[in-house]
Amino acid sequence: DAGVIQSPRHEVTEMGQEVTLRCKPISGHNSLFWYRQTMMRGLELLIYFNNNVPIDDSGMPEDRFSAKMPNASFSTLKIQPSEPRDSAVYFCASSLGIPTTPQHFGDGTRLSIL
Amino acid sequence: DQQVKQNSPSLSVQEGRISILNCDYTNSMFDYFLWYKKYPAEGPTFLISISSIKDKNEDGRFTVFLNKSAKHLSLHIVPSQPGDSAVYFCAATDPSGGNQFYFGTGTSLTVIP
Repeated sequence: DAGVIQSPRHEVTEMGQEVTLRCKPISGHNSLFWYRQTMMRGLELLIYFNNNVPIDDSGMPEDRFSAKMPNASFSTLKIQPSEPRDSAVYFCASSLGIPTTPQHFGDGTRLSIL
Repeated sequence: DQQVKQNSPSLSVQEGRISILNCDYTNSMFDYFLWYKKYPAEGPTFLISISSIKDKNEDGRFTVFLNKSAKHLSLHIVPSQPGDSAVYFCAATDPSGGNQFYFGTGTSLTVIP
């Protein structure tokens, strides 16, 4: 079974550039989550979708961040313009949408903004 | 602001001994809890969970204990093995409030051969 697929695995870009992170959830899962991992806050939820609809985006740090889920098999997280403090590992996870079922994570995108 | 806290950033244990990882939470509405394990350059993977109607759940070498009155849970690994060396995240959820998880900052466990 294919798990959650994220691309790219690594991204290095210069400050001010647009960055797009991609995620393909597990087939049949109807909830999708974007997280950012930092030392200070651990796994920080940025936004999540149920049935392709954004439910809670209160974790999105600034207007420079946006996320879309145009269909059940694809989501993007975009940062425009990027800043050095956005450097982190970004994870996508998906689940069946039942609160007591585990979320399944991709292997993350390591983002470095120079 | 952090509703789930793991106050020990790291822990070292000898192989064969017990590893105890701790987690505290502040939101009394949380009633389902999970532990995830994360190796470097990989995503977190689900390890074990517990519902608030229980105080213990066991799966092989892994046992999670929940103390609701103290808002505290712990993960016990017995016996610890070098392959258990990883970062462990505690997570909590309030099913009545949506299906998002609240994660702690993680504890890095090193099992020394």
